[in-house]
Amino acid sequence: QLQLQESGPGLVKPSETLSLTCTVSGGSISSSSYYWGWIRQPPGKGLEWIGSIYYSGSTYYNPSLKSRVTISVDTSKNQFSLKLSSVTAADTAVYYCARGTTVVNYWGQGTLVTVSS
Amino acid sequence: DIQMTQSPSTLSASVGDRVTITCRASQSISSWLAWYQQKPGKAPKLLIYKASSLESGVPSRFSGSGSGTEFTLTISSLQPDDFATYYCQQYNSYSFTFGPGTKVDIK
Repeated sequence: QLQLQESGPGLVKPSETLSLTCTVSGGSISSSSYYWGWIRQPPGKGLEWIGSIYYSGSTYYNPSLKSRVTISVDTSKNQFSLKLSSVTAADTAVYYCARGTTVVNYWGQGTLVTVSS
Repeated sequence: DIQMTQSPSTLSASVGDRVTITCRASQSISSWLAWYQQKPGKAPKLLIYKASSLESGVPSRFSGSGSGTEFTLTISSLQPDDFATYYCQQYNSYSFTFGPGTKVDIK
C-alpha cells in the first residue's frame, strides 16, 4: 500500500524559505505513470494546489505562487520536496503531499506549517 | 487560469435527504472534473473522477454529472458518515484548481 509522509519544520519565520519533504513508501517515485504534488489548506479554509512534478522532470506551478515555488524529486531517497520562498503569515497552512495520475489518488496526512516570528 | 465556484457554500440536511452540490468552471473543462470529500483533520478522499466515474470503494449513493462548465455531485440518501466538506477540482489544465468547498452539516 502506497504511503506518503510529509516532514519539515512546523514553524518558519517571515521572509524565510519553507522547506518540506515527502517520503514515499510502498512504491517507486520513479514510475512514469504518476505526478507528485503539493496542496495546502490554510486553517479553516479551502484547498489550494501548489504544484506538481512529473517523471519527465516537468513541473507545473500555481500561477499565483510560481515565482516562489520549487518542487524537486530525489529518486535515490524516494522523496520529493517543496521549497516556498519569502513566506508570510498568509502561507500558514496544512501542507499535503500527493500522488496522482490525473486526479489525486493518494494523500499524505498533512503537516501544519506556521509562519511567525 | 481556470476558476472554480461551488454552490451552496453550506448545506444543512437530514439523514435520508437527497443532496445536490453544484460546481462551475470559468471555461470549458470537458469532463475533467473530480469530487473529493474531506472530514475535519483528515486529508481529502476521492469520490468521483472524470465528472461521473465512481472511485472504487465509494458507495453508490454518490453520483456525479455534467460537462463543459457545469457539474453536480448528488448524494441520493444522506448518511451520518456523509457530513463533511466537498470540493470539486478541475484537471483540464496542468494548473489544477479546487472549488471553495461545500460544507454539508446536520439540519
